[in-house]
Amino acid sequence: KQEVTQIPAALSVPEGENLVLNCSFTDSAIYNLQWFRQDPGKGLTSLLLIQSSQREQTSGRLNASLDKSSGRSTLYIAASQPGDSATYLCAVPVTGGGNKLTFGTGTQLKVEL
Amino acid sequence: EPEVTQTPSHQVTQMGQEVILRCVPISNHLYFYWYRQILGQKVEFLVSFYNNEISEKSEIFDDQFSVERPDGSNFTLKIRSTKLEDSAMYFCASRDDREVAFFGQGTRLTVV
Repeated sequence: KQEVTQIPAALSVPEGENLVLNCSFTDSAIYNLQWFRQDPGKGLTSLLLIQSSQREQTSGRLNASLDKSSGRSTLYIAASQPGDSATYLCAVPVTGGGNKLTFGTGTQLKVEL
Repeated sequence: EPEVTQTPSHQVTQMGQEVILRCVPISNHLYFYWYRQILGQKVEFLVSFYNNEISEKSEIFDDQFSVERPDGSNFTLKIRSTKLEDSAMYFCASRDDREVAFFGQGTRLTVV
């Protein structure tokens, strides 16, 4: 059974700092990994999807990397801003039957002025 | 940009009552999902739906739950007899052909 873990669980940084969020998964037979952002009491916003054939995917100040063999993905946020404050979730699809997503535990990020 | 819409945003119901949560997935998507998130816990899968039938369901999705796509646009989740432990945020999602999952804003269900 796929297990997805994210560390740290919470992170507080000053504005402008570059930061890295980590995601690890136990079953490396994945074909993609998706990063989401969740604001308090809100839905999930897709940030990046990285295919298993890719090593990196970039969108603006965000860069996601994927290392299938080690079961890890990182989300790099450059020049963090207070508006980046949210919970960040990674999720991997489980093969078969509609490809449901298994979610990580999330990293709650606070960017302070 | 197309989005998944869910109604209502918040529903309070008495234990034992039936509730229907509604979703309008993105129109050209073929896979639809319901997930839920109990406060402070992980987002967890409930059910996936493709080609007008359930393709997979979790252990949570017991006989009290059902899904339906009554027309070409709506996708509903029905809970027949709600329990206190059904209180959670329920998310609808749909998936495009690039495998990207798009989620709605959620319905917060409170069972009292």
